[in-house]
Amino acid sequence: GNSVTQMEGPVTLSEEAFLTINCTYTATGYPSLFWYVQYPGEGLQLLLKATKADDKGSNKGFEATYRKETTSFHLEKGSVQVSDSAVYFCALIDSGAGSYQLTFGKGTKLSVIP
Amino acid sequence: GAVVSQHPSRVICKSGTSVKIECRSLDFQATTMFWYRQFPKQSLMLMATSNEGSKATYEQGVEKDKFLINHASLTLSTLTVTSAHPEDSSFYICSALTSGGTYNEQFFGPGTRLTVL
Repeated sequence: GNSVTQMEGPVTLSEEAFLTINCTYTATGYPSLFWYVQYPGEGLQLLLKATKADDKGSNKGFEATYRKETTSFHLEKGSVQVSDSAVYFCALIDSGAGSYQLTFGKGTKLSVIP
Repeated sequence: GAVVSQHPSRVICKSGTSVKIECRSLDFQATTMFWYRQFPKQSLMLMATSNEGSKATYEQGVEKDKFLINHASLTLSTLTVTSAHPEDSSFYICSALTSGGTYNEQFFGPGTRLTVL
């Protein structure tokens, strides 16, 4: 089956620090990969995505590269801000399995302090 | 981007009552919507897949008679928690699946916080 493993938090960083949140996956087919962000009390927002190997998704200073050889999709940002404090979820859709269900990691809570 | 709304955003009810949550895709049609449940400090648990014009597909362990799902139109799915009890208190999130082309994407609603007293 499909699964997503991401580093457990919480992660606490000072403003302007470098962020990496690791994410690895297993899939039966050729998945599309996503990072979602959830701000306190809200639903999920798509942060970035990549649909094929070596694609780099980017948005709001965040980046992640689809690495098929290492089955990874690590999230990075060069300089975090207080407003980036949220829970980040790595996820995949394995549409080759005939479904469009998202498989989520457990989420990583990020807290950025001034 | 595509927008999905949920109503209500918060609801408090007494034990034994039923609560209906609406999920709407505002600017696109969605033949498929998903309902998730999220417990504090945990990931999203898929409850069911809602298909327009047909019965929902429930995940293992989810009681279909307790969590009634109706997907009556291409822009609306509803989740009714019947005879709610305190253990049903949770954050319920829906998503709607866009379709067409070579890529499909889920857009999420803002969630509904249910508290059962």
